[in-house]
Amino acid sequence: AQSVTQLGSHVSVSEGALVLLRCNYSSSVPPYLFWYVQYPNQGLQLLLKYTTGATLVKGINGFEAEFKKSETSFHLTKPSAHMSDAAEYFCAVSEGSGNTPLVFGKGTRLSVIA
Amino acid sequence: DTGVSQDPRHKITKRGQNVTFRCDPISEHNRLYWYRQTLGQGPEFLTYFQNEAQLEKSRLLSDRFSAERPKGSFSTLEIQRTEQGDSAMYLCASSSVRGYTFGSGTRLTVV
Repeated sequence: AQSVTQLGSHVSVSEGALVLLRCNYSSSVPPYLFWYVQYPNQGLQLLLKYTTGATLVKGINGFEAEFKKSETSFHLTKPSAHMSDAAEYFCAVSEGSGNTPLVFGKGTRLSVIA
Repeated sequence: DTGVSQDPRHKITKRGQNVTFRCDPISEHNRLYWYRQTLGQGPEFLTYFQNEAQLEKSRLLSDRFSAERPKGSFSTLEIQRTEQGDSAMYLCASSSVRGYTFGSGTRLTVV
């Protein structure tokens, strides 16, 4: 069975500071990994995904994540936080090609302080 | 491509009533998923379809819940005899091998 653990339910950073949101996964098969962002009362928007190949994945809005198999991690980073980054972030894993059910973590709420 | 549409956006119902939600996927996507998201939690998988066939149901999907996807197009999720614990955001998504798209969700409040 697959699972995702997001360390820290709430992360607060200053505007312009580094954003680091942590995600560890468990999967019995090579995983497909995703980061989604959710703004209040909205659906989920894909930030980036790892399928195969290059382990450093670049996404939208300046976010990137690195797949580290040895650490079973897929942490999300952004060099400089912007006020508009304040939202809920979810890490997810799937077994297949991304065309199968996703297993989500509980989420991390990011606050950005001016 | 108009994205994944869900209707209604919000639903308030009294305990014990039945409710039905609709999801219209992206037309070329062959798979359609339902997830439930409660406050402060990540989305939890409920069920999914490939075309009109229901491939998998989570144990979260009690016998009060039923989902259909007639003709492999839109899907409906019905909850019978609603309970306060059913209050949640119900998210629909559709996918192809290129990836997922989520709808904006239906927020259900059971009073």
